[in-house]
Amino acid sequence: QITLKESGPTLVKPTQTLTLTCTFSGFSLSTDGVGVGWIRQPPGKALEWLALFYWDDDRRYSPSLQSRLTISKDTSKNQVVLAMTNMDPVDTGTYYCAHKVITTGGAFDIWGQGTMVTVSS
Amino acid sequence: EIVLTQSPGTLSLSPGERATLSCRASQSVSSYLAWYQQKPGQAPRLLIYGASSRATGIPDRFSGSGSGTDFTLTISRLEPEDFAVYYCQQYGSSTGTFGGGTKVEIK
Repeated sequence: QITLKESGPTLVKPTQTLTLTCTFSGFSLSTDGVGVGWIRQPPGKALEWLALFYWDDDRRYSPSLQSRLTISKDTSKNQVVLAMTNMDPVDTGTYYCAHKVITTGGAFDIWGQGTMVTVSS
Repeated sequence: EIVLTQSPGTLSLSPGERATLSCRASQSVSSYLAWYQQKPGQAPRLLIYGASSRATGIPDRFSGSGSGTDFTLTISRLEPEDFAVYYCQQYGSSTGTFGGGTKVEIK
């Protein structure tokens, strides 16, 4: 059974760096075609694709946020970490991590429950 | 960056009716298009990938069609649990993007 769970601070101040951790189980990030992505959703608004870490260590970022994002993995802990610099109140929202597998292409078949992040001084 | 435009923004229908949701891409994404359902307070759930393939456990009243720039999600007969927000997502480029969503509400 594949599960993912996001963790990190619920409140960050403007200009700070947000670091979120996705801890997963039930799959290996070394398996061909597997990836873990991050997606966010401001309150009452649409989903926004942020970043994706691939099995072969390739990383992809949203062009509009690329300068602020870093995605990495800790294989020993089965974790994928997302760092976002220079946080602003508009970055407030729920942050999800999700799994993709080769059979679904780039679609995310399993999602974490999400973690709410508020940016405020 | 590929932009996805979903229409309509809101669809008001009764249980048992047919729902037709549209997703248009700013450039071709081939068949690299997925649909998700999201209910309040929940994470999205994958319904359709590859434009027309149903994900595991998804009822056959959900169907997807289209390729290139124009895609459709059809719910043949709405069940009470189908009233939710639906998002399309493209993964035809090196990065993904989501549409703005269509809310299917009870009329």
